[in-house]
Amino acid sequence: KQEVTQIPAALSVPEGENLVLNCSFTDSAIYNLQWFRQDPGKGLTSLLLIQSSQREQTSGRLNASLDKSSGRSTLYIAASQPGDSATYLCAVMGGANNLFFGTGTRLTVIP
Amino acid sequence: GAGVSQTPSNKVTEKGKYVELRCDPISGHTALYWYRQSLGQGPEFLIYFQGTGAADDSGLPNDRFFAVRPEGSVSTLKIQRTERGDSAVYLCASSGDRNTEAFFGQGTRLTVV
Repeated sequence: KQEVTQIPAALSVPEGENLVLNCSFTDSAIYNLQWFRQDPGKGLTSLLLIQSSQREQTSGRLNASLDKSSGRSTLYIAASQPGDSATYLCAVMGGANNLFFGTGTRLTVIP
Repeated sequence: GAGVSQTPSNKVTEKGKYVELRCDPISGHTALYWYRQSLGQGPEFLIYFQGTGAADDSGLPNDRFFAVRPEGSVSTLKIQRTERGDSAVYLCASSGDRNTEAFFGQGTRLTVV
């Protein structure tokens, strides 16, 4: 069974810093990987989708990379802002057509 | 609709009662997923529909849980004889297919008292 791990579980940074969130998965036979953001008490907002054939995707200050063979993905956030504070979840789409989620990284950006 | 809609947003029920949770996916999306999320945890997969059929129901915890999608659009998650351990946020997502983004609803917070 696919297992997804996210490190660190929580992270606090001062405003303006660049930061990296990590995601690893045990089964490299994936179709894609998706990064989500979740604000407290809310649903999940899709940030970036990387297909298994791609190496990275960018959206604004966000850049996600994928190394399928080593089972790793990173989400890079440039010039962090207090509004970036949320829990960030990565999820991989496996052969069974369901998304396996990590437990998330809770990010706090301090003004 | 513009996004995935889940109703109700909150549901409080007594232990032993039956509940139904509804999900309206994005129009035209053939794939629909149900997840359950407990506090501080990532979403836990329950069931996946492709069209009208349940392509994968391996995540349903026991036979008290059942989900349908009779016309390939709206889905209902049904929980019989609810237990306090069923309390969680139930999330629904839809996508065009496995290679496109999954979009989530705001969830239904179920509390069993």
